[in-house]
Amino acid sequence: EAQVTQNPRYLITVTGKKLTVTCSQNMNHEYMSWYRQDPGLGLRQIYYSMNVEVTDKGDVPEGYKVSRKEKRNFPLILESPSPNQTSLYFCASSLSGRQAFFGQGTRLTVV
Amino acid sequence: AQKVTQAQTEISVVEKEDVTLDCVYETRDTTYYLFWYKQPPSGELVFLIRRNSFDEQNEISGRYSWNFQKSTSSFNFTITASQVVDSAVYFCAPMGYGQNFVFGPGTRLSVLP
Repeated sequence: EAQVTQNPRYLITVTGKKLTVTCSQNMNHEYMSWYRQDPGLGLRQIYYSMNVEVTDKGDVPEGYKVSRKEKRNFPLILESPSPNQTSLYFCASSLSGRQAFFGQGTRLTVV
Repeated sequence: AQKVTQAQTEISVVEKEDVTLDCVYETRDTTYYLFWYKQPPSGELVFLIRRNSFDEQNEISGRYSWNFQKSTSSFNFTITASQVVDSAVYFCAPMGYGQNFVFGPGTRLSVLP
């Protein structure tokens, strides 16, 4: 089954404790991206990747890191999480010009 | 850079009414794609439709229809005979160079029984 898998689905952590949210897709898509969703703001892009070892900043990259060492994986790293990074996070993958497939979302709370 | 305006923050209708969700976008790309996604209360993002910028033919799919007008940069979405299950947040999203989606703020649709 074609899918984008994010883990974990829910995470509560403390300020400053490094964390990684994993994202994996099984559709051989070139494009992958991360979004955060906050009430009233829709989805805002954090980082995107056009292929292995090619990544670029989206609209809200501060405080986040990504890597794309393999085509199927695109982890999101928060080196020192802060409460303003409490949000719902979505990973997505797509082919050129086609619809994005989204993961189930990761609800992160930083206390 | 692209920008999306979904002027309707929230809409409430009674079941069986028709409802139109507005989307106006800005883009400097000459070739781009337009998408609508739905986010039901369960939280997942569901793809509804994709249009490319050089195909202005409007589309109907069951109770859903889309009106794309490049001259006014609008891509509106209509649900005919709405149902309670249509209650969700709807996002309009253009995609241009770099395959970056830019999502609008969303319109929350509530369909009341």
